[in-house]
Amino acid sequence: EAQVTQNPRYLITVTGKKLTVTCSQNMNHEYMSWYRQDPGLGLRQIYYSMNVEVTDKGDVPEGYKVSRKEKRNFPLILESPSPNQTSLYFCASTEAQGDTGELFFGEGSRLTVL
Amino acid sequence: RKEVEQDPGPFNVPEGATVAFNCTYSNSASQSFFWYRQDCRKEPKLLMSVYSSGNEDGRFTAQLNRASQYISLLIRDSKLSDSATYLCVVLMNTGFQKLVFGTGTRLLVSP
Repeated sequence: EAQVTQNPRYLITVTGKKLTVTCSQNMNHEYMSWYRQDPGLGLRQIYYSMNVEVTDKGDVPEGYKVSRKEKRNFPLILESPSPNQTSLYFCASTEAQGDTGELFFGEGSRLTVL
Repeated sequence: RKEVEQDPGPFNVPEGATVAFNCTYSNSASQSFFWYRQDCRKEPKLLMSVYSSGNEDGRFTAQLNRASQYISLLIRDSKLSDSATYLCVVLMNTGFQKLVFGTGTRLLVSP
């Protein structure tokens, strides 16, 4: 089954404790992206990757890091989480942005930073 | 001004009603347009693309007005299962291509 898988789905952590949210897709997509969704603000792009070893900042990259060592994986790293990073996070992928608007999303990771 | 703007709603309609949502976008160079559906606490999923000539998929009709820079989604014969948030998404070309999401319009269909 074609899918984007994120882990963990739910996480409560404390300020400053490094964490990684994993994202994996099995569709051989070139493009992957991370979004956060907050009430009233909609989906905002954090980072994206056009292909392996190619990553770039989105609209709200501060406090986040990513890597793309393999095509299928695109982890999101919070080196020192803060309460303002409490949010619902989505990973998404598509064959190549621009060819189609169909992004395939993971189920989301709800993160709470105390 | 937001790049993509939608009325957040909620739109409360009875079953069987027809409801329409509009969405405006700021960048006249925008290339492609889409409607996504997001159920509560779930991931967004593509509902339909929006073509210049307008397009229909069952009870759903999407239209694009480039001159006025807005797109619309019409839902006929609303079902309870249509209750969700509808996200307007625009592929913009601002030197590079970028998908921009509206904040969504919430629809509640009641019996």
